[in-house]
Amino acid sequence: QKEVEQNSGPLSVPEGAIASLNCTYSDRGSQSFFWYRQYSGKSPELIMSIYSNGDKEDGRFTAQLNKASQYVSLLIRDSQPSDSATYLCAVNRYNFNKFYFGSGTKLNVKP
Amino acid sequence: SAVISQKPSRDICQRGTSLTIQCQVDSQVTMMFWYRQQPGQSLTLIATANQGSEATYESGFVIDKFPISRPNLTFSTLTVSNMSPEDSSIYLCSVGLGGGHGNIQYFGAGTRLSVL
Repeated sequence: QKEVEQNSGPLSVPEGAIASLNCTYSDRGSQSFFWYRQYSGKSPELIMSIYSNGDKEDGRFTAQLNKASQYVSLLIRDSQPSDSATYLCAVNRYNFNKFYFGSGTKLNVKP
Repeated sequence: SAVISQKPSRDICQRGTSLTIQCQVDSQVTMMFWYRQQPGQSLTLIATANQGSEATYESGFVIDKFPISRPNLTFSTLTVSNMSPEDSSIYLCSVGLGGGHGNIQYFGAGTRLSVL
């Protein structure tokens, strides 16, 4: 079993729609959860972090965490073609140096 | 966050040669990491570079093939030794910065390596 699982996609949504990206993790001791965006040919960039159960909103992005279900998601509202990228989920324990990355979900936003 | 400079940005190398990749950070950081990302794949951690001690390698990666230096808190190098076409990949440097809930990782721009 992989530490972090993501659907590889591609997930295709029309412009203006809500894109929903999902991630499950196996380590119940995980405490920090991150979403990175990676454009083709570029390095990953951090877009959201979440540490507590519930929702965290930042502009058009909302991260959702459910530790009981070991599930974290990212919602992108009013999706734009510029959101087309691969989204990587990562988890970590406090004071642990190692991050576990999912394989990424490729998102295509169609104009 | 931090400004992370990685070079070279890309290189084309011959089989059997070695390439050293440099990673420079604009602030002192305890943890630096080296990843490999093969085309269409996710990130694979090669090693954690600790200042003042030996790097910690992940399963499947050995020091003879991927020697790492960490001479100070702002700089690290990764060498890909005796290269073969299978080493063609993107190599990424990252740093861990304290975010109040443990570390957050930030990435350099990466080195795109092609081995002929």
